[in-house]
Amino acid sequence: RKEVEQDPGPFNVPEGATVAFNCTYSNSASQSFFWYRQDCRKEPKLLMSVYSSGNEDGRFTAQLNRASQYISLLIRDSKLSDSATYLCVVNPRGSQGNLIFGKGTKLSVKP
Amino acid sequence: DGGITQSPKYLFRKEGQNVTLSCEQNLNHDAMYWYRQDPGQGLRLIYYSQIVNDFQKGDIAEGYSVSREKKESFPLTVTSAQKNPTAFYLCASTYRASTDTQYFGPGTRLTVL
Repeated sequence: RKEVEQDPGPFNVPEGATVAFNCTYSNSASQSFFWYRQDCRKEPKLLMSVYSSGNEDGRFTAQLNRASQYISLLIRDSKLSDSATYLCVVNPRGSQGNLIFGKGTKLSVKP
Repeated sequence: DGGITQSPKYLFRKEGQNVTLSCEQNLNHDAMYWYRQDPGQGLRLIYYSQIVNDFQKGDIAEGYSVSREKKESFPLTVTSAQKNPTAFYLCASTYRASTDTQYFGPGTRLTVL
């Protein structure tokens, strides 16, 4: 099983749609989790951290399921500007900040 | 403005040449990292440094070297021993090595001719 696994997509959705991405991780002792956004040929940028209780930031909601070892990202009311690749990132216990990056899920929001 | 800068943005190298990629930050971050990204792939860790004058190999250090003589700077040298160096190279930093959130520079796209 890969350390961090994501559906590569692409997810093609119309504006205003709700879209959800899942990500699974293999290390059950992993401590922290993130979603990063990466635009084409640009650097990744932190979208949000993922907390055990779940967290929301505007149209974005992240959830963690430790028992099943997956995290999710929900985007409501999709905008054209949401088109990007979304990277699932995990910090396994004891790695001293060495993050494990998924390959990303590509989202394309169409008019 | 505070941030992480990388230069050059694009770099072309002939086979057999060493090249050095620059990474500078003025965020007063202790830890710095170098990653490589290939098309359709996740980021892979090359080297990281938690404090000045100290650095450790990541998952794919072969063919690369680094130095950390100043807190602000963490240059990466891609040597001729790296057999497939064409990639997008990203530098990142965190306030402390024990903190998670990494902030990235804009990247250097290296192409071997």
